[in-house]
Amino acid sequence: IVLTQSPATLSLSPGERATLSCRASQSVSGSLAWYQQKPGQAPRLLIYDSSSRATGIPARFSGSGSGTDFTLTISSLEPEDFAVYYCQQRTDWLFTFGPGTTVDIK
Amino acid sequence: QVQLHQWGAGLLKPSETLSLTCVAKGGSFSGHHWTWIRQAPGKGLEWIGDITFSGSTVYNPSLKSRVTISKDTSKSQFSLKLNSMTAADTAVYYCARRQVRTDWFDPWGQGTPVTVSS
Repeated sequence: IVLTQSPATLSLSPGERATLSCRASQSVSGSLAWYQQKPGQAPRLLIYDSSSRATGIPARFSGSGSGTDFTLTISSLEPEDFAVYYCQQRTDWLFTFGPGTTVDIK
Repeated sequence: QVQLHQWGAGLLKPSETLSLTCVAKGGSFSGHHWTWIRQAPGKGLEWIGDITFSGSTVYNPSLKSRVTISKDTSKSQFSLKLNSMTAADTAVYYCARRQVRTDWFDPWGQGTPVTVSS
């Protein structure tokens, strides 16, 4: 399964709403997760099972979707949210990541 | 809360073997799956493989012929070996935990930059 993320770059201001898309080439049989990565840091799990927030993740982050279409929403961007976001899925015994969406400051 | 710390050589010559180790501190080791993931410069994330709680291994088909993942439960450590390294293997390598019956990775190690150059 190939994951496609859009847009590649999202330029927004603090306080604005961010909507990130992840589309799978086939229906995802396992679950879908979202990660945040800041420069020089390891990725951090944000969302698992498409819509469950990981421990310690603020409520402004939410995930939705099923099948082939998934969305990560950041309701009101904080300065620390400007980063790269990746979606990830498992099918059979292969784990794949999307190419990422960069959320940068407008 | 488990934390992962990883180490290994960061500069290799072509054809050499990469060897990295990751230790899990502060949590259970034996009841989880353990994973290696890499990220080439300016690129996305690539899953390399898993060693499951039972000790079986699963590898990305694109790397399967060159990869070995092993673990030492007594030391809460797991390791990656990738042979016949080339410049295309230059990347930051991450270790991570995957809990049983889940499909996601959390937490991650700090990453080890690996460069392959003659």
